Order: sequence, then C-alpha cells, then structure tokens
Amino acid sequence: AQKVTQAQTEISVVEKEDVTLDCVYETRDTTYYLFWYKQPPSGELVFLIRRNSFDEQNEISGRYSWNFQKSTSSFNFTITASQVVDSAVYFCALSEANGNNRLAFGKGNQVVVIP
Amino acid sequence: DTGVSQNPRHKITKRGQNVTFRCDPISEHNRLYWYRQTLGQGPEFLTYFQNEAQLEKSRLLSDRFSAERPKGSFSTLEIQRTEQGDSAMYLCASSLVQGQETQYFGPGTRLLVL
Repeated sequence: AQKVTQAQTEISVVEKEDVTLDCVYETRDTTYYLFWYKQPPSGELVFLIRRNSFDEQNEISGRYSWNFQKSTSSFNFTITASQVVDSAVYFCALSEANGNNRLAFGKGNQVVVIP
Repeated sequence: DTGVSQNPRHKITKRGQNVTFRCDPISEHNRLYWYRQTLGQGPEFLTYFQNEAQLEKSRLLSDRFSAERPKGSFSTLEIQRTEQGDSAMYLCASSLVQGQETQYFGPGTRLLVL
C-alpha cells in the first residue's frame, strides 16, 4: 500500500527566506511517481512538480527545487526566496504504476510567509 | 485550454437530503478522478473513470455514494441521505492515459451538511 508522510506543521518564514518541506513515502512498487501540489486558501489544488522513480536527478524550476532520494524514500521540496503569494498548504503525493494512477496524499504543510 | 470545472462551488444541505455534484474535465482527458478532503487532511481517493467506465471504487465510497460518467465527458457524484460526516471538500481531477500523466484538479465543491 502506498503511504505519504509529511510532518504536519505550520511553517512560518519571513519573506525572501527559503523554506524546505519534507516528504517521506512508502511503496512496494519499483515504478512510481511523486508530486507536489499547492492548495491556496481558494481551495484548488495546483500542480507544481512531478518526479518519476527511475529518475533521481534533482532539478530547479524557477524558485522551486526538489531533492529526491530513493535510498531514504524522501522527496523534499524547497521554495527559494519566498513570497507572500507562496502562503498555502503544500501536499506531497505518490502514485504507483499499477494502472489506476490514484494519488495518495500526505497531510500537508501549512506555509505562512510573513511580509 | 480551460481547466477542470466543478459545480456548485458550495452546497449547504440538511441531513437526509440528496445532493449531486458535477465535474467537467479538461476536454481531451479520458481519466476522471473523485477525491474527498476533510479539514486538516490531504485528499483521499474515492473513485475513478476511464472514459465512461468506472474502474475502481474506494472503501470510503459507501452505498449512499454513486458516481457516473455517462458519455465519457462530464461526471456526477451523488450522495443520498446525507449525513453530517459527509461534510467535506469534494475534488475532481482529470488526466490523459498516456503513460503516467499528471492529474489536474478542479476548484472543488465544499459540502456542509447541517
């Protein structure tokens, strides 16, 4: 069974500081996909990034970067130079390549960026 | 290209009433998913369709819940005899079936059962 764990905490940062969110996952599949979604107060889940289990290369996309380590089953996410608009709940999610693609989400991290 | 849309955005109902929600996926997407999210939690999978076929239902989907996607386009989720425990955000997502495609979510329908 797939499982995602995020330390459910509220993280407050001052604008322009970096913030890193931790995600640990469990899966029996050898092929799986990891995601980060953002949920602002409006409620809509916004896709941010996705990583395939067979590609551990870490990348940077604008102010977002991620650190995927299969050895520790972790998929951490960093926002660089945070802005007030980054204030939201961030969810890590996992889907297994078994045909249905359903997402298993963590409980989310509430990020508050203080101006 | 328009995104996933859901209607209504908010619904308040009395216990025991039936409610129906609608989801319109991104037009070329053939997979459609329903999730439920309660306060302070991540979304939980309910069911999904590939075209008009409902391929999997979660144990969370009790007999009072039914979902349809009659023509492989929009989908409806009906809850019969609502209970206060049904109060939640109901989220719809769609994706393409080409490998492992990303799911894109709609704005959700927030249900409050009094």
